[in-house]
Amino acid sequence: EIVLTQSPATLSLSPGDRATLSCRASQGVSSYLAWYQQKPGQAPRLLIYDAYNRATGIPARFSGSGSGTDFTLTISSLEPEDFAVYYCQQRSNLPPTFGGGTKVEIK
Amino acid sequence: EVQLVESGGGLVQPGGSLRLSCATSGFTFSSYAMSWVRQTPGKGLEWVSGFSVSGGVTHYADSVKGRFTISRDTLKNMLFLQMNSLRAEDTGIYYCAKDRDTMLSEFDYWGQGTLVTVSS
Repeated sequence: EIVLTQSPATLSLSPGDRATLSCRASQGVSSYLAWYQQKPGQAPRLLIYDAYNRATGIPARFSGSGSGTDFTLTISSLEPEDFAVYYCQQRSNLPPTFGGGTKVEIK
Repeated sequence: EVQLVESGGGLVQPGGSLRLSCATSGFTFSSYAMSWVRQTPGKGLEWVSGFSVSGGVTHYADSVKGRFTISRDTLKNMLFLQMNSLRAEDTGIYYCAKDRDTMLSEFDYWGQGTLVTVSS
């Protein structure tokens, strides 16, 4: 199965900062990479699909890029509600797999 | 409004069985793939099983193959997961998730989750 490695594990930033999160796949997944946000006690929420497409209702400050094995989620200016855990997920090969997550915490 | 509501979780002894249910509304259930995804302390988010509309094919993670069975009732718009021979490592929150496509893809809507605890 395809292993997704996310870095860093934790990102300590302040509101208004730019956040850059990385996801690396153990083999190429083309553009079949999604990003999710999860807050404590809640289910994950789809942010980005197919590497760069924002899901319905997702603010423009969230953007995705990359293809093949290296992907990036960028939050251009952190809002208080953006402090959460972020996961990447590939759908290129079965089984679908998730990364281990990056926690974006308040500095 | 899309809604997914899971039920059926609980405490079960190792080797026991549980049947999870997911009631759905707000979308054409028969037109989308559906999946079960679990979140465990040990492995984080893990896709467990999925039902593709394309060809009516079911898929399973290796960790549950032969023990879990996914099914659906298109008249009642419900998804099920029959879990047999449960192990301690199956403990976690089980989410019902709607795929964005007719085949396994990304998960654009999730339920609130149901907790499964396997312990003696």
